[in-house]
Amino acid sequence: AQRVTQPEKLLSVFKGAPVELKCNYSYSGSPELFWYVQYSRQRLQLLLRHISRESIKGFTADLNKGETSFHLKKPFAQEEDSAMYYCALSVGNQGGKLIFGQGTELSVKP
Amino acid sequence: DVKVTQSSRYLVKRTGEKVFLECVQDMDHENMFWYRQDPGLGLRLIYFSYDVKMKEKGDIPEGYSVSREKKERFSLILESASTNQTSMYLCASSPTGGWDTEAFFGQGTRLTVV
Repeated sequence: AQRVTQPEKLLSVFKGAPVELKCNYSYSGSPELFWYVQYSRQRLQLLLRHISRESIKGFTADLNKGETSFHLKKPFAQEEDSAMYYCALSVGNQGGKLIFGQGTELSVKP
Repeated sequence: DVKVTQSSRYLVKRTGEKVFLECVQDMDHENMFWYRQDPGLGLRLIYFSYDVKMKEKGDIPEGYSVSREKKERFSLILESASTNQTSMYLCASSPTGGWDTEAFFGQGTRLTVV
C-alpha cells in the first residue's frame, strides 16, 4: 500500500534548537518525495524535493530507502519557521498527484 | 508569479444543495487537482485531470464530480452537499513533466455544510 506517515501532530521547540520532522513512507517503486509547507494565512507551497538535494531556508531532507524515511531537518530553528509541514509522495507519472502525510505543526517559541 | 485562484474563500451551504467550487490557473498547466484538507488527515486527492475534458478519480471521489471544459479551469461539484463534506478544499495545478514536478496550490475554499 502507498502511504505516508508523519507521527508527530505537533512539534514545539525553542528558537535556536535543532528541529527534525519525521516522515516515513510505504511505496513499492522508487519514491519521489517532497516537503510542502503552509505558513499562517498563506497557501501550501513546495519547500523542497528529495531529487534536488538542496537546502531551502536552512532545511534539508535525506531520503533513506533502508528505513523508508525522509525526515526534514534544520540545525537552528527560527520563529518564522512556525508553520504546518506536510511530507508528500508522488504517485502519478505527472507531478501533482500526491499522497500526503497527516501533517506536523511546528511551533518555534522565542 | 504563478497563480491558482479559487473563486471563494469561504462558503456556507445547506444540506442537499448542489455546490460548485471553481478553480482557475494562469500558468497554462496541463494537470489540475482537487484535494480535501482535514486536520489529522492531511490532504486527500478527490479528482484530477491531465487534459481538457479528461478526469480521473482520486482516493475519495464519492459524493463529488468534476468538470474541465477549458484548460485553465477545473470545477469541483458536490452533487448533494452533506455535513461530512464540511472541509477545506484545495485546488492545485502542475505542468507536464516527471514525477518530481512541483504542484502549485490555490488559497483554499473553506466549505461549511449546515
